[in-house]
Amino acid sequence: QKEVEQDPGPLSVPEGAIVSLNCTYSNSAFQYFMWYRQYSRKGPELLMYTYSSGNKEDGRFTAQVDKSSKYISLFIRDSQPSDSATYLCAINFGNEKLTFGTGTRLTIIP
Amino acid sequence: DSGVTQTPKHLITATGQRVTLRCSPRSGDLSVYWYQQSLDQGLQFLIQYYNGEERAKGNILERFSAQQFPDLHSELNLSSLELGDSALYFCASSVGGSQGEKLFFGSGTQLSVL
Repeated sequence: QKEVEQDPGPLSVPEGAIVSLNCTYSNSAFQYFMWYRQYSRKGPELLMYTYSSGNKEDGRFTAQVDKSSKYISLFIRDSQPSDSATYLCAINFGNEKLTFGTGTRLTIIP
Repeated sequence: DSGVTQTPKHLITATGQRVTLRCSPRSGDLSVYWYQQSLDQGLQFLIQYYNGEERAKGNILERFSAQQFPDLHSELNLSSLELGDSALYFCASSVGGSQGEKLFFGSGTQLSVL
């Protein structure tokens, strides 16, 4: 079993829809949670960073962490075509290594 | 722009050859990380350097090596290349070298081994 599991998609939604992206993890060590966005042929770009259970909001993006279920989510409200990208969850389990999910490819249809 | 610079952007070479990938971290960042991204494996951590010293090692092959120089730039050396080494190689940097650091990625080097 991989430490971090992410549905690879692809996921296509119409413009303006709410998008939900999810990851599960198996390690119970202390965690830092991050979401990265990666456009085609570009490097991953940090979107959200949190280490506690609950919600963290930044504009149209909300990161949600449920430590009891080992489940993290990223919600995108009012999705735009410019949100079309691959979204990667990443978790640091209390060491120097950041473990990434395989990424979910998202397409927003105008 | 993340502030992390990687060169070259593209590299085409043959099996058995050796290549060097270069990374300049963001100004003020002391840690450099190398990741390999392939379609089937996703982003795989290779190695981390902090202020010139190796800090953590991941799934790095013995044919691969890296170093960080006094000016904090880093190089990843790949030797005896095989077809399966074809991938995107990313460098990332962070301020410190401890757990929970926010990583900032460069645009990557696309390596094609023919």
